[in-house]
Amino acid sequence: GAVVSQHPSRVICKSGTSVKIECRSLDFQATTMFWYRQFPKQSLMLMATSNEGSKATYEQGVEKDKFLINHASLTLSTLTVTSAHPEDSSFYICSARSEGDQPQHFGDGTRLSIL
Amino acid sequence: GQQLNQSPQSMFIQEGEDVSMNCTSSSIFNTWLWYKQEPGEGPVLLIALYKAGELTSNGRLTAQFGITRKDSFLNISASIPSDVGIYFCAGRDFGNEKLTFGTGTRLTIIP
Repeated sequence: GAVVSQHPSRVICKSGTSVKIECRSLDFQATTMFWYRQFPKQSLMLMATSNEGSKATYEQGVEKDKFLINHASLTLSTLTVTSAHPEDSSFYICSARSEGDQPQHFGDGTRLSIL
Repeated sequence: GQQLNQSPQSMFIQEGEDVSMNCTSSSIFNTWLWYKQEPGEGPVLLIALYKAGELTSNGRLTAQFGITRKDSFLNISASIPSDVGIYFCAGRDFGNEKLTFGTGTRLTIIP
């Protein structure tokens, strides 16, 4: 149980392109989803927290107009990197959790490479 | 953002050896979680701890929630090649949905 699916697993695109990443909870309802960014050999850095039907809460230093998050249902959240540039290249990982003390379960990540 | 102090940073061990790693924090947590991440993948939950002093096992893995609520350790017994990866601890405050992650322990097994 507690499977989180993230798609696509890898994206390579030109500078200026907008990229959408999907995160789905397959066998549970995710009241909260999280988006992280991970640089090589580093830990996960939280970008934003989203609750179904409400606006995402962004961490300090994360541009909300650059990283658009939509959490339209209890099983789907999307992250759109708008007008991506090479410095946005990174490994993006989502996680989801249901209510109460349930832990976060992670997707397999999306490797984004901007040329 | 804030990170937990996790040690050791890396370990090189021989197959069959036991492994021990720990995580310490300057503030208390209500929940401690241990995850394993392999290259190119997301972290996978290994063990979740919810009570101070709690000792929980998952196969060859054992983790404990420190009595002070400021630390946790993870032990792996009789390591095997598939144990290779990066292990992260994570803490969560009561009423806070966000996790604070440790800096990670990279485990390498020498043939």
